[in-house]
Amino acid sequence: EAGVAQSPRYKIIEKRQSVAFWCNPISGHATLYWYQQILGQGPKLLIQFQNNGVVDDSQLPKDRFSAERLKGVDSTLKIQPAKLEDSAVYLCASSDVRGQGRNEQYFGPGTRLTVT
Amino acid sequence: AQTVTQSQPEMSVQEAETVTLSCTYDTSESDYYLFWYKQPPSRQMILVIRQEAYKQQNATENRFSVNFQKAAKSFSLKISDSQLGDAAMYFCAYTGDTGNQFYFGTGTSLTVIP
Repeated sequence: EAGVAQSPRYKIIEKRQSVAFWCNPISGHATLYWYQQILGQGPKLLIQFQNNGVVDDSQLPKDRFSAERLKGVDSTLKIQPAKLEDSAVYLCASSDVRGQGRNEQYFGPGTRLTVT
Repeated sequence: AQTVTQSQPEMSVQEAETVTLSCTYDTSESDYYLFWYKQPPSRQMILVIRQEAYKQQNATENRFSVNFQKAAKSFSLKISDSQLGDAAMYFCAYTGDTGNQFYFGTGTSLTVIP
């Protein structure tokens, strides 16, 4: 079974530029998560999708971050414009919707973003 | 709001010995799930063990076991017979019954000494 795919793996941009990250979840997983992990901290949930609908985006800075999951499969996370404090690893995870909260999340390798 | 606290930023253990990582959480819900995730230096997070709050029996997965104290809101991870491959960041995590909103602690970096 293929795992969660993310691209790019690394990205360096200047502040005020835009950037987009892509995630392809495990086939059949209806739930998809985007996390921000700042160095030395635990992952913080930015947005959670179930199929192509948003379940939770309470911690997504909506003035600059946006995410979509068209057709309920792949997802993109965009930052526009980027700030220095957006430097972090962006993790994508997916899980099977059956069983709800008890489900294991499968994580991708992450995208390391550096904003200079 | 739910919070997850890991008070040990770093821990070390001798190979083959036992180590316990601590985690406390705060919630007003009665049904929820707790997890320990491992993040090796390659950064791909993997699930170590999970506990359903409604189960009194502590979860066990081979060398990994938990001590779940619901009243105290404590959820510690015990690693027995530690191996070099256990070296990683360990994160405690919480989610409610529906799986909406997922909270991670700040992590504990575990070093295994040969």
